[in-house]
Amino acid sequence: QVQLVESGGGVVQPGRSLRLSCAASGFSFNKYAMHWVRQAPGKGLEWVAVVSFDGSDKYYADSVKGRFSISRDNSENRSYLQMNSLRGEDTAVYYCTRGVIITLSPEIDFWGQGALVTVSS
Amino acid sequence: SALTQPASVSGSPGQSLTISCTGTSGDIGASNFISWFQHYPGRAPRLIIYDVTARPSGVSFRFSGSKSGYTASLTISALQAEDEAVYYCTSYSTSNSVVFGGGTKLTVL
Repeated sequence: QVQLVESGGGVVQPGRSLRLSCAASGFSFNKYAMHWVRQAPGKGLEWVAVVSFDGSDKYYADSVKGRFSISRDNSENRSYLQMNSLRGEDTAVYYCTRGVIITLSPEIDFWGQGALVTVSS
Repeated sequence: SALTQPASVSGSPGQSLTISCTGTSGDIGASNFISWFQHYPGRAPRLIIYDVTARPSGVSFRFSGSKSGYTASLTISALQAEDEAVYYCTSYSTSNSVVFGGGTKLTVL
């Protein structure tokens, strides 16, 4: 069965960096775009970034553009979210999610359990 | 910018109910890539509608989607207590991104 397992969350000071990792299994990883979606405490869902099935295309929400970087390793079945210059408003549960072959389609059918990132001094 | 959804809606068991999702010419108006998610607290969101009207395998026929102009809609028929959750719409955006609505809390009376 499809599984997405995030790791790398934790508490980090403002301005510092953190990298989230997502281990995927149970499907042909190299055939799907992978998204990161977050949910701040008490808030709704917010799309963060997507990487195409082959890693050639990457797109970001304006709120993280220039600070976050998404990538993937199809040989390891892993997706990554490098988060730099973190701010308090980046505090959220970050979900690794599976898209479809069309990179910017919001057809997101599987979600990980989420990784909590807390940005605080 | 986020898509606009009502913050809350409510209905009685057996009724039909529609949740609206309003966007712009740059997202809903330009896209047939529109999805809806059902989210229970403490659980991962669940895809219930994609490509405006399509239902994933296993999703009840009571859920249906539509679009007119800049507004997408989710209709839930024969409302059940288990439908009480937060519902999010989302769309492709011509700014090369994906945008979510703010979420609608559905209460079954």
